[in-house]
Amino acid sequence: SQQGEEDPQALSIQEGENATMNCSYKTSINNLQWYRQNSGRGLVHLILIRSNEREKHSGRLRVTLDTSKKSSSLLITASRAADTASYFCATDTTDKLIFGTGTRLQVFP
Amino acid sequence: EAGVAQSPRYKIIEKRQSVAFWCNPISGHATLYWYQQILGQGPKLLIQFQNNGVVDDSQLPKDRFSAERLKGVDSTLKIQPAKLEDSAVYLCASTLGGVGTEAFFGQGTRLTVV
Repeated sequence: SQQGEEDPQALSIQEGENATMNCSYKTSINNLQWYRQNSGRGLVHLILIRSNEREKHSGRLRVTLDTSKKSSSLLITASRAADTASYFCATDTTDKLIFGTGTRLQVFP
Repeated sequence: EAGVAQSPRYKIIEKRQSVAFWCNPISGHATLYWYQQILGQGPKLLIQFQNNGVVDDSQLPKDRFSAERLKGVDSTLKIQPAKLEDSAVYLCASTLGGVGTEAFFGQGTRLTVV
């Protein structure tokens, strides 16, 4: 079963633009994590936000978390062609990591 | 540090045959996950181990799938007999364990059942 649903399913932008992906989940969580997956590869951890945090930054990434709405967003600023990948949110509930459906991001040079 | 190792990378089998996947997690990582990722979808948790004990296998089709983690280190996932709908990438991940730890993934095994 998937805990999270991501929106949009696919996103195409030009280099230099910002990309925003949203994740909604169903149950209470300990933390929420974002992962990236390049085609044909394993997932790579990007950032973790705890349930008592509202916003977190890491380089060009900005993550927000609204536990009252059970939603999170990932913002990638000044996108690059190399950011082309699928992005997944994952909720950590009682030490179990459940992934969402993912957003496929295409960044055109 | 060495990452999560999985083998084989690719496997093609006929339906009703059996197949096994192997995973070697990062040294010292207590938690090990197996995920199934069908093309275009997110990873679906099949089974979670904490050391050599099963924490969650609620999504594992136990009539055909089995998994074990020997001595709390390496793990194998087996499918017997395989069905066409088992075609997917099987991902292994490990974490130190506990709340708020990131998962490290292997490259996955791409299984095609024909």
